[in-house]
Amino acid sequence: EIVLTQSPGTLSLSPGERATLSCRASQNVPGTYLAWYQQRPGQAPRLLIYGASSRATGVPDRFSGTGSGTDFTLTISRLVPEDSAMYYCQQYGSSPETFGQGTKVEIK
Amino acid sequence: EVKLVQSGAEVRRPGESLKISCKGSGYSFTSYWIGWVRQMPGKGLEWMGAIYAGDSDTRYSPSFQGQVTISVDTSINTAYLEWSSLKASDTAKYFCSRQSGAGDYWGQGTLITVSS
Repeated sequence: EIVLTQSPGTLSLSPGERATLSCRASQNVPGTYLAWYQQRPGQAPRLLIYGASSRATGVPDRFSGTGSGTDFTLTISRLVPEDSAMYYCQQYGSSPETFGQGTKVEIK
Repeated sequence: EVKLVQSGAEVRRPGESLKISCKGSGYSFTSYWIGWVRQMPGKGLEWMGAIYAGDSDTRYSPSFQGQVTISVDTSINTAYLEWSSLKASDTAKYFCSRQSGAGDYWGQGTLITVSS
């Protein structure tokens, strides 16, 4: 089973700043099948990025994903208040699929 | 418009059985996997397993194998998650998602409370 470790646990930033979230895998993620999700309180997760770097439909271009192998990054270039949420990475290249434990982004 | 609509919240006693549902619409139901994800109170997301609606091929996470059953009824475009004997530790919100690789559409979640 591939274990995903996200860092930091919490990120507290001001509007307009850049957020950099990390997701490290315990072994190579096959096919770069790595996704990022946003989850606001009380809501279902929302797909942001798939295939490590492809934005899902309707996702603003301030969200970008990079990485391959075992190291992946989600960048939010200019934070806005609505970006306050939990962010999870998920690998879907190897069964069982697994999620990271999440990074909380707080907007000051 | 693609939609996944889940059944409503449930309260059960330990040892009882339960089956919750996830109805898909707006797309070719049998062309996609449906996955199930658990979120315990205040915790993160856990992938439980998935079923390919076209042929009912099912995969489970080892953590959930033998604890739940995932099934599908293609005549009504609905996937199910079932427990034969609930435990208090099954208290959580359960989400279904359409998996085109990643989960691109999600249900609203079903809250299950197991308490004596």
